[in-house]
Amino acid sequence: DTGVSQDPRHKITKRGQNVTFRCDPISEHNRLYWYRQTLGQGPEFLTYFQNEAQLEKSRLLSDRFSAERPKGSFSTLEIQRTEQGDSAMYLCASRPSGGATDTQYFGPGTRLTVL
Amino acid sequence: AQSVTQLDSQVPVFEEAPVELRCNYSSSVSVYLFWYVQYPNQGLQLLLKYLSGSTLVKGINGFEAEFNKSQTSFHLRKPSVHISDTAEYFCAVSDFSSASKIIFGSGTRLSIRP
Repeated sequence: DTGVSQDPRHKITKRGQNVTFRCDPISEHNRLYWYRQTLGQGPEFLTYFQNEAQLEKSRLLSDRFSAERPKGSFSTLEIQRTEQGDSAMYLCASRPSGGATDTQYFGPGTRLTVL
Repeated sequence: AQSVTQLDSQVPVFEEAPVELRCNYSSSVSVYLFWYVQYPNQGLQLLLKYLSGSTLVKGINGFEAEFNKSQTSFHLRKPSVHISDTAEYFCAVSDFSSASKIIFGSGTRLSIRP
């Protein structure tokens, strides 16, 4: 068990550029979640997948954001035309499906800085 | 909808002293309750969780929390802290829905003084 991994760990980009982050969940975890954490705040839910299906999206996820999980394994989060307000830590978590009591396991996050 | 309030943004405490980090939640339905810890430059790690049963929950690293339904609180305690406990602590709730997404508080930064 290697845990949840995220790549890259840090990303610096200029306003207006597109960025893509990757999350590799724990093997055999059906559910995958994306959260965003801004400075001084707790993580906020963005979206989640059950296998390859994206089942819920937060209103925080504007049209510039898109997430995919094409084969039900790794997931990508793309931000188009980045803005300075997108600067944050983007966290990925995974858990088995089934009981609501299962723990979500978090990755180390991708820190995005938009200049 | 659920919400979580962490009453203290920062808590300074001397090493080997006891500490309590306060958390109150609001929800119209039953929820599960969690405390997560985030060490510098690391992801979130689960400290403990309350699902049902005994209201006193013991977690890792000597932490424990008590669920109080009438006061809608879930305060975190440790009888004697160490320098290594320096971190950000997040209280969180999750409802019973199929999504099971987690709603986090804004965090409490615990700083330990030698």
